[in-house]
Amino acid sequence: GAGVSQSPSNKVTEKGKDVELRCDPISGHTALYWYRQSLGQGLEFLIYFQGNSAPDKSGLPSDRFSAERTGGSVSTLTIQRTQQEDSAVYLCASSLERGGNDEQFFGPGTRLTVL
Amino acid sequence: KQEVTQIPAALSVPEGENLVLNCSFTDSAIYNLQWFRQDPGKGLTSLLLIQSSQREQTSGRLNASLDKSSGRSTLYIAASQPGDSATYLCAVGTYGQNFVFGPGTRLSVLP
Repeated sequence: GAGVSQSPSNKVTEKGKDVELRCDPISGHTALYWYRQSLGQGLEFLIYFQGNSAPDKSGLPSDRFSAERTGGSVSTLTIQRTQQEDSAVYLCASSLERGGNDEQFFGPGTRLTVL
Repeated sequence: KQEVTQIPAALSVPEGENLVLNCSFTDSAIYNLQWFRQDPGKGLTSLLLIQSSQREQTSGRLNASLDKSSGRSTLYIAASQPGDSATYLCAVGTYGQNFVFGPGTRLSVLP
């Protein structure tokens, strides 16, 4: 079946603009994760959705970042008033559930460049 | 707070060699550990998932082991090929915390 998809694959924006990044998880996966990978850095957890529970937003770096997941499926990560330090690859992953059998499957990522 | 390290940071080997990549974690209260590979400019591809109750998992030429008490996992790659060249990441799922990724090992297999 289809894997995790993300759009756009690349996004170039000017400092101060808002951007929206989209993630389509694997059908039936209840858990969805957003990560950020900056140049030369490891993966940084941003936010986690599990079913209808309140999301875990503990990784969001500032209040300019927000995310929602509609209908337990598609998720959108929004960055308001973008800054140059927001430039990174944003990766989305999904899994069947959270726990011992929680194998995460990643999308190809969105490369964000803030000029 | 869980911390994950990977040794070596980079590795270059001739084709055909067997090799071992290491992943260490500080908090042993984990429920699983996952190994990924990442090709340049691409997302992550899942290789192996080891649940905390398991000692090892195998897939083809790959074998991952887990020693929870000592905070270690190793990824063994047999008969390496140029196509194995990539960055290998381990990620640890810890009770009460979010997934933490290691910094990765960049592997080059020379033909």
